[in-house]
Amino acid sequence: DAMVIQNPRYQVTQFGKPVTLSCSQTLNHNVMYWYQQKSSQAPKLLFHYYDKDFNNEADTPDNFQSRRPNTSFCFLDIRSPGLGDAAMYLCATSRGPSLQETQYFGPGTRLLVL
Amino acid sequence: LAKTTQPISMDSYEGQEVNITCSHNNIATNDYITWYQQFPSQGPRFIIQGYKTKVTNEVASLFIPADRKSSTLSLPRVSLSDTAVYYCLVGDRSGNTPLVFGKGTRLSVIA
Repeated sequence: DAMVIQNPRYQVTQFGKPVTLSCSQTLNHNVMYWYQQKSSQAPKLLFHYYDKDFNNEADTPDNFQSRRPNTSFCFLDIRSPGLGDAAMYLCATSRGPSLQETQYFGPGTRLLVL
Repeated sequence: LAKTTQPISMDSYEGQEVNITCSHNNIATNDYITWYQQFPSQGPRFIIQGYKTKVTNEVASLFIPADRKSSTLSLPRVSLSDTAVYYCLVGDRSGNTPLVFGKGTRLSVIA
């Protein structure tokens, strides 16, 4: 089945130690998104790629970076994780960037910062 | 960017119809209304989308009045497995509007 895959499902890192979260998709969608979701809060968009074009949200900290080496894969790099970065990180894809295109979400990676 | 307002939480018994209303007073002419469902520890899942009047699919119905300043998601005969957070989003076709999730409505279905 076509899907959005996130690995690992749970990630533990140390304060200040760089960490990379992975997302892959078999939907061949043009757009890939990264969201941060903290406990009992709504998902917050960090950035998205439309093909190779990177679109950063204005309030996304510089500590968060992303790479999309090809259509299928997208990575979220947190350069120096702080305690406040502990959250669920959701990857999503869509055919196009407009709201009318359904977004397909992965199961998320829960990040714990010690 | 149209802001949305939903009730924070709702409770319902199994078998009842649940209606969740979303207010979007500043909705623009080109904006569509989309609802997502999120179960605990999972990513959100698309439920339904509409522009005006009524849309129905196998999961839910979406009612949008003529002024489009609100919309109502209707879930028929809910079961325990419908316990989730429901998000209402508003945006246009341009792709320039970022997808902003509001606070959502936490629906608890009770046996």
